[in-house]
Amino acid sequence: SQTIHQWPATLVQPVGSPLSLECTVEGTSNPNLYWYRQAAGRGLQLLFYSVGIGQISSEVPQNLSASRPQDRQFILSSKKLLLSDSGFYLCAWSVQGYQPQHFGDGTRLSIL
Amino acid sequence: GNSVTQMEGPVTLSEEAFLTINCTYTATGYPSLFWYVQYPGEGLQLLLKATKADDKGSNKGFEATYRKETTSFHLEKGSVQVSDSAVYFCALKDNYGQNFVFGPGTRLSVLP
Repeated sequence: SQTIHQWPATLVQPVGSPLSLECTVEGTSNPNLYWYRQAAGRGLQLLFYSVGIGQISSEVPQNLSASRPQDRQFILSSKKLLLSDSGFYLCAWSVQGYQPQHFGDGTRLSIL
Repeated sequence: GNSVTQMEGPVTLSEEAFLTINCTYTATGYPSLFWYVQYPGEGLQLLLKATKADDKGSNKGFEATYRKETTSFHLEKGSVQVSDSAVYFCALKDNYGQNFVFGPGTRLSVLP
């Protein structure tokens, strides 16, 4: 069966520090991968999605970036965090067609 | 473009009450429709899905019917429990792109 792992579960970082969140998927090949952000009490905002290694589409201009160095690995990064980057970050995967997305457990990021 | 509209709530019900959360959508073609549930501090879990008109998705006592004529996918449950307290997201995926579109989420609180 397929599983998705996302870590860390919680992270507290100072303003201006770098960020690296990692997401890996097991049990499937060539998945579509997604990064979402959920601000407190708000809906989901799609940040990035990827349909293959090295292929990244950005939905919202910001100081975050994403990379996909391997087929089942998706990384969310920042060189210098802002206070507004606080939130709950969710990784998800899906396959093509009418299939649903499957989400990781999320990373709660607090910027001080 | 594609969009999903749902009642934002919060919705507060007593245990054993009947639940309806409305969801309507705008999309080209024939999208797949989904309901996700997010319990506090967790990622999103797929609750149910429907991939074509008149399909009924069901799971854990929840149901939703894909109504193409009204472009709706309302979530219903006959008797809610305290453990159903969560945020519910309606979502769609069209068959032309790789992305999912989520509604803003509806917070449900069930009181004993």
